[in-house]
Amino acid sequence: AQTVTQSQPEMSVQEAETVTLSCTYDTSESNYYLFWYKQPPSRQMILVIRQEAYKQQNATENRFSVNFQKAAKSFSLKISDSQLGDTAMYFCAFMNSGNTGKLIFGQGTTLQVKP
Amino acid sequence: EAGVAQSPRYKIIEKRQSVAFWCNPISGHATLYWYQQILGQGPKLLIQFQNNGVVDDSQLPKDRFSAERLKGVDSTLKIQPAKLEDSAVYLCASSLDRTGEQYFGPGTRLTVT
Repeated sequence: AQTVTQSQPEMSVQEAETVTLSCTYDTSESNYYLFWYKQPPSRQMILVIRQEAYKQQNATENRFSVNFQKAAKSFSLKISDSQLGDTAMYFCAFMNSGNTGKLIFGQGTTLQVKP
Repeated sequence: EAGVAQSPRYKIIEKRQSVAFWCNPISGHATLYWYQQILGQGPKLLIQFQNNGVVDDSQLPKDRFSAERLKGVDSTLKIQPAKLEDSAVYLCASSLDRTGEQYFGPGTRLTVT
């Protein structure tokens, strides 16, 4: 069975600085997708970034980028130029590409951006 | 476009009572998901529908939970009877297809006393 582990329950960063959130996963599959989702306080969960395992190039979306290390089964999220609106719970998630679309989530990391 | 709608937003019930949640997905989205998010944990898939058929309900406690998606649009999730450990946020999500981006609703926060 696939598992996703986020070892940092809470993190904080000063506004305008860079922060990296860690995620590791376990799977025997070779084709899959990895995601980072953001869940702001009392607001809906939204997709931040998506990575296909067969792509060696790391995904980037504006200030958000990932460091995907397939051999190490590591998938970290880097947030550059942190903004107050980045304050949220961040979830790492896994989906098997041959699967039904089922997302397997990590436990989450609470990120606090301080002014 | 309108997002995923859920109601009610909050519900408080006593154990052994029953409760139902409603979800209206984004128009045209064939796939609908119900997740359970216990405080301090990541969401866990309870059931997934493709149109009005069940694709995955392997983690649904079928002795007390049931769900349906009549006509392949709206969906309801029911708990009967509720237990204390059912206290959680119930999230509904939808996607165009099984591997498409999942869009989440605001969730229903259930408290069982």
